[in-house]
Formats: sequence, structure tokens, C-alpha cells
Amino acid sequence: GAGVSQTPSNKVTEKGKYVELRCDPISGHTALYWYRQSLGQGPEFLIYFQGTGAADDSGLPNDRFFAVRPEGSVSTLKIQRTERGDSAVYLCASSLNPYQLAGANNEQFFGPGTRLTVL
Amino acid sequence: DQQVKQNSPSLSVQEGRISILNCDYTNSMFDYFLWYKKYPAEGPTFLISISSIKDKNEDGRFTVFLNKSAKHLSLHIVPSQPGDSAVYFCAASAGNTPLVFGKGTRLSVIA
Repeated sequence: GAGVSQTPSNKVTEKGKYVELRCDPISGHTALYWYRQSLGQGPEFLIYFQGTGAADDSGLPNDRFFAVRPEGSVSTLKIQRTERGDSAVYLCASSLNPYQLAGANNEQFFGPGTRLTVL
Repeated sequence: DQQVKQNSPSLSVQEGRISILNCDYTNSMFDYFLWYKKYPAEGPTFLISISSIKDKNEDGRFTVFLNKSAKHLSLHIVPSQPGDSAVYFCAASAGNTPLVFGKGTRLSVIA
């Protein structure tokens, strides 16, 4: 079956521009997560959706970052006024159940990521 | 302050031998631990997990050991195969908190 897909795979933009990154989760997965992985680091949590609502956005670094999931499926991560420090791989993951339910089908399936480069 | 630490950035092991990847954590509230494997240009894939009520979980060639008193876990791969060459991430969560990942260890299995 289809896994988590992310588009685009690569995005190069100039400092100050606006970007949108898209995530298509596995069909039927209610939980969706965004992570950011900088060079030499592990994935860092940004935001988590349960259905259409952002259940936890504590990882968003500042108000330039915003994410939506209007119909409870596809999600878009939006970054305004991009900065060079935003350059990273942005990973999306989905799970059948939310992470709170440890061991109960809460395994997160990751997409291949979008590599964002801000020049 | 890193809550999950993988102090070895890389590890080389001969094919057929045991690979041992280590992970330390500082948050005593963590109660669920996972290992993810990542190939280049792909997202991490779930490998194995362990709950804090256990000290060992085994799945085929992969075994995870948890030492709560030392706040340490390890992943054993035996026998190691060239296809195991990847970056391995340790991750942990505490009840209703998001996963916290370590920086990863790059494993190279030499034929």
C-alpha cells in the first residue's frame, strides 16, 4: 500500500520568501506529525495533528511557521519570511493512533522528507 | 540540553559479527523507547520498541535492552549484514509527550 508521501522532494528558495511543504499521510491514519531534521541532528518535533486540529504545536520554533490539516488528511507546513537557518529536511509522519497510546498501533510511518534550502 | 544522547556518531562492524548501538537518556519520565533506521534519501523506518516495564525485547536479529537505573538502552544486531548499514536513531517519549530523538549513529557493516 501507499506510504507517506511528501512534495516537493527538494525546494530551493531565497531568504525572505514563503514556502509550502505538503504531506500525504497513509490513508486512515488520524495522527500526523511534522519534524525538522537539521544536518547532523535527529528529527526534531514541530507539530502534531489529531484529525483536523493541531493537538500539540509546542515544537514550532516561532510564528513564521504554521501548519494546517483542513480535512484531516493532507497537511501543509507553511514557512513565512524564510531564513537561512530554516534550511533542513522536513519530515512528515503518520500513525493510526496518537503517540499517547504507547504500544497500541501508534508506530509512526515517515515520509522521505522535503529538503529545504534557503539561499 | 539533549534528553536523548547517542554518543557514537559512527560504528563499523564486520559482516556476521554483533553490532551494539548505545543510547543514554536524561529524562526519568521517559517510559517508551524506540529505534528507527534511516537509509539515505528515505524517511526513518521503525525497527523495534520497548516499554519501560520491560528490560528486553527481541525481534529476529534485533534485540533492545533497557537499563532504567542507568538510563541506558542498547540495540543489538546479530548477525550483522551489509544491508543493516544505515543511520540508527534512538527515540523516547514520556506518556503524552512527542518523540525525542537522538542524533543518530551511522552503522557500516563491512563485508
